[in-house]
This record gives sequence, C-alpha cells and structure tokens, in this order.
Amino acid sequence: QVQLVESGGGVVQPGGSLKLSCAASGFTFNRFGMHWVRQAPGKGLEWVAFLWYEGNNEHYADPVKGRFTISRDNSKNTLYLQMNSLRAEDTAVYYCAKDLEKSYTTDYWGQGALVIVSS
Amino acid sequence: QSALTQPRSVSGSPGQSVTISCTGTSSDVGGYNYVSWYQHHPGKAPKLIIYEVNKRPSGVPDRFSGCKSDNTASLTISGLQPEDEADYYCCSYAGTYTWVFGGGTKLTVL
Repeated sequence: QVQLVESGGGVVQPGGSLKLSCAASGFTFNRFGMHWVRQAPGKGLEWVAFLWYEGNNEHYADPVKGRFTISRDNSKNTLYLQMNSLRAEDTAVYYCAKDLEKSYTTDYWGQGALVIVSS
Repeated sequence: QSALTQPRSVSGSPGQSVTISCTGTSSDVGGYNYVSWYQHHPGKAPKLIIYEVNKRPSGVPDRFSGCKSDNTASLTISGLQPEDEADYYCCSYAGTYTWVFGGGTKLTVL
C-alpha cells in the first residue's frame, strides 16, 4: 500500500533554514508528481508546492516563492522541501502528498511533519 | 490565490444529510472541473473522498457526492454516521499547476 513518511521537522529561529524529507513506498515513485501542503495551527490546508515526476518542473504558492525549493531523488524514492528565510507564519504541519495522475488532485498523504518557527 | 470560501461549521443528526458549499472564482472552481474534497480527522492524514467534482475513489461510500454550479462546488453527505464527524476541505485546480484550498468546514454529528 502507498506510504508517505515525512521527517525533518523541528524548531527553527526566524530567518533560519530547514529541510523536510518524504520517504515514499508502495507505488512507482518516478511516475508521479508530488506536492507539499501545510496546515498552520488552527487554520485550514494550504497548498505549498508541486513537482513533476521527472523533477524538472516545479511550482509554488506565492507566500513561499523564492524561499522554498521542492526537489526529489527518484533513486531514493524521496521528496524534499528546502525551506529558507523562515518566518513565524511558516509554522505549520507540512504534508507530502502523491499526485493523482491526470486528475489534478492528490490521492495519498503522509501524516505530516511539524515545523515551528520561533525565537 | 485567495482561499476558497467554506462555512466554518455544519451539523446534522445521524441518518440526516448535510451539504457543504465551496465558493471560488472563475479562475479556479468555475474555470476547471478539478474540484476535490478531503476528509480530515485531526492528527491523521487527509483522505480524498471526491475528485473531478463528482468522482469517488475506490472504497469511498456512495453516501458522499459532489457537484458544481458556476463558481460554487458542493459536497453532500447523506445518511450521516458518527464517524463522518471531521473537518472537510475543498480544493480546486487554479491553473499553471497551482491549487487552492478552502478554509475548511467542521462537521459535527449531533
């Protein structure tokens, strides 16, 4: 069965950096696009970034553009999110999610990794 | 990329039906037939229950249904069950490989 396991969350100071990982299993990772979605405390879900299956076409939500970078290593079945210049408003649970091909949606999500930006 | 508008909360008794609305613009909900709905029990992974406006993934009961008219999509849950109590989010494709979510609706089963 499809499994997505995020790691790398933690507490970081404003202006700092953090890199999240998402280990995928149970499907052919290199055939599917992947997303990051976040949920700030007490708030709704917010789409963050999308990366094509080949890893050569990435798209970002405006609040993170220029600060976050989505990438993948298909040889390791792993998705990444490099987060730089972190702000308090980036505090959230970050989920990785598998794209449902040709349906412009996501069908499987991980349990999430908590990122806290605080001094 | 403004969030789609959902009611903060809805409620219903077991066996009843509830409908959750999701209002966007012609740039997202109204422009594409790519509206999805997710069920989210806090602390767990969100679960896809409707995609492409009205399609159900395998294993999702037919008590869950979706539709869309102009810039508003709707999720209807019929025959409410206690386990349906959760947060529900709509999501729409917004073009150029970007997506936008709704603010979420808390469903209470009385």
